[in-house]
Amino acid sequence: SQTIHQWPATLVQPVGSPLSLECTVEGTSNPNLYWYRQAAGRGLQLLFYSVGIGQISSEVPQNLSASRPQDRQFILSSKKLLLSDSGFYLCAWNIPGGDRVYGYTFGSGTRLTVV
Amino acid sequence: EDQVTQSPEALRLQEGESSSLNCSYTVSGLRGLFWYRQDPGKGPEFLFTLYSAGEEKEKERLKATLTKKESFLHITAPKPEDSATYLCAVQTNQAGTALIFGKGTTLSVSS
Repeated sequence: SQTIHQWPATLVQPVGSPLSLECTVEGTSNPNLYWYRQAAGRGLQLLFYSVGIGQISSEVPQNLSASRPQDRQFILSSKKLLLSDSGFYLCAWNIPGGDRVYGYTFGSGTRLTVV
Repeated sequence: EDQVTQSPEALRLQEGESSSLNCSYTVSGLRGLFWYRQDPGKGPEFLFTLYSAGEEKEKERLKATLTKKESFLHITAPKPEDSATYLCAVQTNQAGTALIFGKGTTLSVSS
């Protein structure tokens, strides 16, 4: 069966420090991968998505970046964190369906607090 | 611009008191509508996918329906363990594979 792992679960980082969040998927090949951020009162905001190794699409201009070095690994990074980067970060995957639409499976999330 | 609006923002029910959550959408071509349940501090958990108007899906006390403009999540005789935030999302012809989420409805069921 397919599983998705996301870590760490919580993170407290000072302003200006770097960030690296990792997400891996098991049990499937060539998944679509997504990074979302969830802030209180704002809902889920799509940050990045990837349809293949090295293919990253950015939805929101910001000081975050994403990379997909392996088929089932998705990394969210920042060189210098801002206070506004605080939030709940969620990784998700789904099957590329062509004409068919498949829902996402989400990871357990990372609560990031920038202080 | 594609939009998803959920109402109400919060809903308090007594155990056994049935109700409905609303998800209205304005999109340029709906490919699918999704319902998720999210518990505090956790990732959303998939509930249903609906593809076309008139379609209905059921799971235990939950039933999701879809029209051309909105979807309803009906909760029959809810229990305290149904307390959670319920998220609605759509995938459209314009958005590639990405889902557009509403802000959610937070449901509290008291015994």
